Amino acid sequence: AQSVAQPEDQVNVAEGNPLTVKCTYSVSGNPYLFWYVQYPNRGLQFLLKYITGDNLVKGSYGFEAEFNKSQTSFHLKKPSALVSDSALYFCAVSPLGDMRFGAGTRLTVKP
Amino acid sequence: DTGVSQNPRHKITKRGQNVTFRCDPISEHNRLYWYRQTLGQGPEFLTYFQNEAQLEKSRLLSDRFSAERPKGSFSTLEIQRTEQGDSAMYLCASSHSSSYGGGELFFGEGSRLTVL
Repeated sequence: AQSVAQPEDQVNVAEGNPLTVKCTYSVSGNPYLFWYVQYPNRGLQFLLKYITGDNLVKGSYGFEAEFNKSQTSFHLKKPSALVSDSALYFCAVSPLGDMRFGAGTRLTVKP
Repeated sequence: DTGVSQNPRHKITKRGQNVTFRCDPISEHNRLYWYRQTLGQGPEFLTYFQNEAQLEKSRLLSDRFSAERPKGSFSTLEIQRTEQGDSAMYLCASSHSSSYGGGELFFGEGSRLTVL
C-alpha cells in the first residue's frame, strides 16, 4: 500500500529559528510527494511537490523540502520561522493519481 | 478566477436523513476527488473521478455513500441514512491529470456535516 507517515503530532519552534516537519513514505514505484498546509477554517493549500530531479524542492512562502531516497523521507523545512507559519501541515503521496495524506503535524511558532 | 466551490458549507441533519453535497471544480480540471476529514486528522480518501468515470472508491465508502459526476463537470456526494459517525468535513478537490500522476490538488473550503 502507498502511504506516508508523519511521526510528530506537534512541532513547536521560536520565531526566527529554522523549522523541520518530518515525513516518511512507503511506495512502490516512483514516489510523487507533496506538502500541503491548512490554516484554521480554511481549505488545504498546496506548498510544494517532488516528482523527479533535484532532491531539494522549493515552494510557497519560503518553504522547501528535501527528498531522501535512502531514508524514504521528504522533510519540510524553512530557514526562519514566522508566527504566521503556525498551521496544520500534511504530507501526501500520489502514486497513480489518487492522493493519500498523512495524519498531519501541527506547527506552532511562538514569538 | 474561481476556485473549487462546495455547497452547502454547513449541513445539520438528523440521524437517518439523506444529505447531498455538491462540488464545482476548477473548469479546466478533469480530475475530481472527495475526501473526508475529522477534526485534527488528515484527509481520508473516498473516491475520485477522471472526467465522468469513477476510477477508485475507498473501502471507507460504504453502500450508503454514492458519488456521481454525470457530465464530467460538477460532482455530488450523497449520504443515505446518515449516522452520527458520518459527522465530518467533506472536502472536494480537483486537478489536471498528467503523465506523472495527477499533479497537485486544489481544494474547496469543504462542507461540514453534523448528524444529530
